[in-house]
Amino acid sequence: NAGVTQTPKFQVLKTGQSMTLQCAQDMNHEYMSWYRQDPGMGLRLIHYSVGAGITDQGEVPNGYNVSRSTTEDFPLRLLSAAPSQTSVYFCASSLDKEGGYTFGSGTRLTVV
Amino acid sequence: EDQVTQSPEALRLQEGESSSLNCSYTVSGLRGLFWYRQDPGKGPEFLFTLYSAGEEKEKERLKATLTKKESFLHITAPKPEDSATYLCAVHSPGDDKIIFGKGTRLHILP
Repeated sequence: NAGVTQTPKFQVLKTGQSMTLQCAQDMNHEYMSWYRQDPGMGLRLIHYSVGAGITDQGEVPNGYNVSRSTTEDFPLRLLSAAPSQTSVYFCASSLDKEGGYTFGSGTRLTVV
Repeated sequence: EDQVTQSPEALRLQEGESSSLNCSYTVSGLRGLFWYRQDPGKGPEFLFTLYSAGEEKEKERLKATLTKKESFLHITAPKPEDSATYLCAVHSPGDDKIIFGKGTRLHILP
């Protein structure tokens, strides 16, 4: 099992560019989420999904889109990057809502 | 609004000096409280889930307890390798969101 795989690990974008952060898990987990982690702010929920075809917004969804066409993949799209989106992004998955998450190793994104 | 507050923000202990980290929450009808450990540059690592007041879970030098308003992570005789940020999270019943606190940075001095 590879667990939760996030790519890329590092990325620098220019303001206004778009990109997709990839997240894949091989544990057949139904529940997947995206968080961003900023100094002094902790982990904040961006979007989450309770299964293929179902997504919902978290605490800070503006500027981000997600889709869940398969159980394994949960990509996060930045539509038009802004410096305020400079952060470390974590994808996480769990078998169900009551279980603990398995986190990926993160994507460190800088928007200049 | 559901909230999770962790204290202290940072804690420095001597090796072998036991202490506790606090996580207070304002979720009504808690469906689960989670503890994670995060090392620098890595994703959080799951430690425990607690579901009801009075429940306790242990792992090596760590013990997590839960009351109706807060949870404690007790660390007994810590070692330098226990240095990390410890995160608390809650699952509220109104939706499927898992909300995290800001964490406690724990540093164990040899």
